[in-house]
Amino acid sequence: GQQLNQSPQSMFIQEGEDVSMNCTSSSIFNTWLWYKQDPGEGPVLLIALYKAGELTSNGRLTAQFGITRKDSFLNISASIPSDVGIYFCAGQSLMNYGGSQGNLIFGKGTKLSVKP
Amino acid sequence: GAVVSQHPSRVICKSGTSVKIECRSLDFQATTMFWYRQFPKQSLMLMATSNEGSKATYEQGVEKDKFLINHASLTLSTLTVTSAHPEDSSFYICSAYRQGGYEQYFGPGTRLTVT
Repeated sequence: GQQLNQSPQSMFIQEGEDVSMNCTSSSIFNTWLWYKQDPGEGPVLLIALYKAGELTSNGRLTAQFGITRKDSFLNISASIPSDVGIYFCAGQSLMNYGGSQGNLIFGKGTKLSVKP
Repeated sequence: GAVVSQHPSRVICKSGTSVKIECRSLDFQATTMFWYRQFPKQSLMLMATSNEGSKATYEQGVEKDKFLINHASLTLSTLTVTSAHPEDSSFYICSAYRQGGYEQYFGPGTRLTVT
């Protein structure tokens, strides 16, 4: 089945540093979504990408939809302590629509820890 | 907008009993809702797709008779875990699409502990 490879699995960074994480797949996706999940809570949508090559920002967050439709990255600039959490990429393809009406395929997550 | 709520947020039940979890879209209508399960330090695993007015679609390996899903209206889906066992203890999260939208919005999750 479709799988998303998300990396890195975890990272420790110094406050103020920039962070980058990415997801790749062997399958083509039509939509890429990036979520953040805090402990004990549901994922919160950060950025949604709909077009190949699209670059979208949300405050200090920037994400891009790869030209090949098989990858996406998320950058966080000038990280702060509240950026701590788990970041998930999620992809959606037309194939998903045919089966389960647009369900998402999730990466395994990137756990971000910031040193104060 | 795009707020999804879940109730209860936490529930503890005894083995063999049933538990119902509600998922509501508060400010939009959702023809399709999804139920996920998440074990500690793992990603979200889709259990089933809940369709308003029709039967739910279950993912492979998910027992439909154990995890009963009812999508009674455009703003409410329920997941009932029947005859719960300790291995059913997990974090259950629902999500929903706005009608005509392409983004899934997630509820805050329900922590189920079966003793």
